[in-house]
Amino acid sequence: DQQVKQNSPSLSVQEGRISILNCDYTNSMFDYFLWYKKYPAEGPTFLISISSIKDKNEDGRFTVFLNKSAKHLSLHIVPSQPGDSAVYFCAARDGTSGSRLTFGEGTQLTVNP
Amino acid sequence: GAGVSQSPRYKVAKRGQDVALRCDPISGHVSLFWYQQALGQGPEFLTYFQNEAQLDKSGLPSDRFFAERPEGSVSTLKIQRTQQEDSAVYLCASSLVWGNSPLHFGNGTRLTVT
Repeated sequence: DQQVKQNSPSLSVQEGRISILNCDYTNSMFDYFLWYKKYPAEGPTFLISISSIKDKNEDGRFTVFLNKSAKHLSLHIVPSQPGDSAVYFCAARDGTSGSRLTFGEGTQLTVNP
Repeated sequence: GAGVSQSPRYKVAKRGQDVALRCDPISGHVSLFWYQQALGQGPEFLTYFQNEAQLDKSGLPSDRFFAERPEGSVSTLKIQRTQQEDSAVYLCASSLVWGNSPLHFGNGTRLTVT
């Protein structure tokens, strides 16, 4: 049972344009959502998070949007840079079952110069 | 450095061997997690410690997997009688407090069972 799903295994965008990565979830008890970026042979690096009491959180070029009614999360990167090329994972926490995070399968983002 | 440190980076084991993977969390971080990541998949939860207490081990796939954190700092994940399906990257993460605090991951140990 995949509670966090990233339906696009890959995304390719042009440098300077917007990248939009999507994530859907099924567990209505999720109350905290995060995005991680992963380069090859490295561990995931925390990017940005959002609590379920908000619908938007912004940090520089990165903005996360949360639509609770649709159980949908998205990460916007603007403008995209070649150094943003990596695998992006969304993750969610169910506050009723401790601190564990449930991850999606990841989306490979490629930003072309 | 100040990050989560894992060793070894790579481990090759023959089927049936025991392995031990080490994690040094960020100093002062209370919570420590182990995740398993198969190729092309997201990390899957294995177990969680708060200080030295193992609060959740529901993700451990079998009784061949065992984790400890005896002094509330360094943790070891042990896999006994390794099988080919244990081949994966094992990630350790720590966080400062319980709750809404992001996890900080190490670079992982890539285990290959031949």
